[in-house]
Amino acid sequence: GQQLNQSPQSMFIQEGEDVSMNCTSSSIFNTWLWYKQDPGEGPVLLIALYKAGELTSNGRLTAQFGITRKDSFLNISASIPSDVGIYFCAGHPNTGNQFYFGTGTSLTVIP
Amino acid sequence: DGGITQSPKYLFRKEGQNVTLSCEQNLNHDAMYWYRQDPGQGLRLIYYSQIVNDFQKGDIAEGYSVSREKKESFPLTVTSAQKNPTAFYLCASRQTESYEQYFGPGTRLTVT
Repeated sequence: GQQLNQSPQSMFIQEGEDVSMNCTSSSIFNTWLWYKQDPGEGPVLLIALYKAGELTSNGRLTAQFGITRKDSFLNISASIPSDVGIYFCAGHPNTGNQFYFGTGTSLTVIP
Repeated sequence: DGGITQSPKYLFRKEGQNVTLSCEQNLNHDAMYWYRQDPGQGLRLIYYSQIVNDFQKGDIAEGYSVSREKKESFPLTVTSAQKNPTAFYLCASRQTESYEQYFGPGTRLTVT
């Protein structure tokens, strides 16, 4: 199955900095999802996007559905230590029942 | 408290033994999924089920089996035919008309 290209693979930032990551696909998606996963835990859904160009926020997190429908972006503003974890994207095409997942971005926040 | 439960959290088995991982949800979701997570890779779909008594193979179904006798439950059996079963297994569910997929806490299976 298709795996999405997610970048960067890892990030080391100072507390208070902003973070950006993105996900690209070779095919068009109708839905983009962003998750955060702590070590040894299940992923937690952060944001869901349904329309090309859509910009959605959840607290300090903002995600965008790319206008080509082949990419999505996640920004975290003013990072804090509890933002540490792995963030990954997921996409769902127009047909079928399967989701496709990025390989994740590992975020480390240095206090 | 609504959610998805997976048990146990950690599971250890000897090679050659079948093992069943539990997944239960009380979200009244129609669709349920099983994924396998390995370091450095995206989630890979093992099986999914859209309705009771129906399920479909995902990308890596070989060596696994499932059942969906109840809407709330979607157990996964890792059989001795699975060549590399040690992994973190995640169950997920969603309502059919929504694309918001929710995950359980996962089961880490170690086979030696």
